Amino acid sequence: EIVLTQSPATLSVSPGERATLSCRASQSVNFNLAWYQEKPGQAPRLLIYGAYKRATDIPARFSGSGSGTEFTLTISSLQSEDFAIYYCQQYNIWPPGTFGPGTKVDIK
Amino acid sequence: QVQLQESGPGLVKPSETLSLTCTVSGGSITVEYWSWIRQPPGKGLEWIGNIYYSGSFNYSPSLKSRASLSLDTSKNQFSLQLSSVTAADTAVYYCAKSPYSGYYDSWGQGTLVTVAS
Repeated sequence: EIVLTQSPATLSVSPGERATLSCRASQSVNFNLAWYQEKPGQAPRLLIYGAYKRATDIPARFSGSGSGTEFTLTISSLQSEDFAIYYCQQYNIWPPGTFGPGTKVDIK
Repeated sequence: QVQLQESGPGLVKPSETLSLTCTVSGGSITVEYWSWIRQPPGKGLEWIGNIYYSGSFNYSPSLKSRASLSLDTSKNQFSLQLSSVTAADTAVYYCAKSPYSGYYDSWGQGTLVTVAS
């Protein structure tokens, strides 16, 4: 099973600042990585798939990069609605398409 | 825009069977893959299984012996049954849609299922 590790576990950021989240895979997943945003009481929302492709209606301030085993989600200028938990998911081996443990982005 | 909505009991007794249904609107269940994913309180996301309209399905190895998925094309619904539940099965259960690639581009709102007597 491919294991995903996300860092940091918690990221404290001020509104307007840049946030950089990391996801590392235990073996190569090529470009088959997605990022999701989860807010309390809401379903996860797909942000990025294929490592860097923005999903429908996702603002341009969200960007993904990386390939193989190292990936990054960048939020260029944090808005109030961006404070949430972010999960990465690999689907190079799918099913099961494992999820990372998440990074919580909170207000500094 | 495809929408998914989970339904089912919010409370299930230990050793009984958890049954949930996902109703799909705005799209047909005869295309793409349909999955169940759960999230125990305060924990991360866990894939349970998926089903394709042709009848092919896959289950998480850890739940394979207890999980069963089915779909009803006449109602545009798919369902999950999880037998012999314990408190460890308490979670928010989501249904979700995958294009053929394996990421999840549409999710239901989720339903909390508590296992308790």
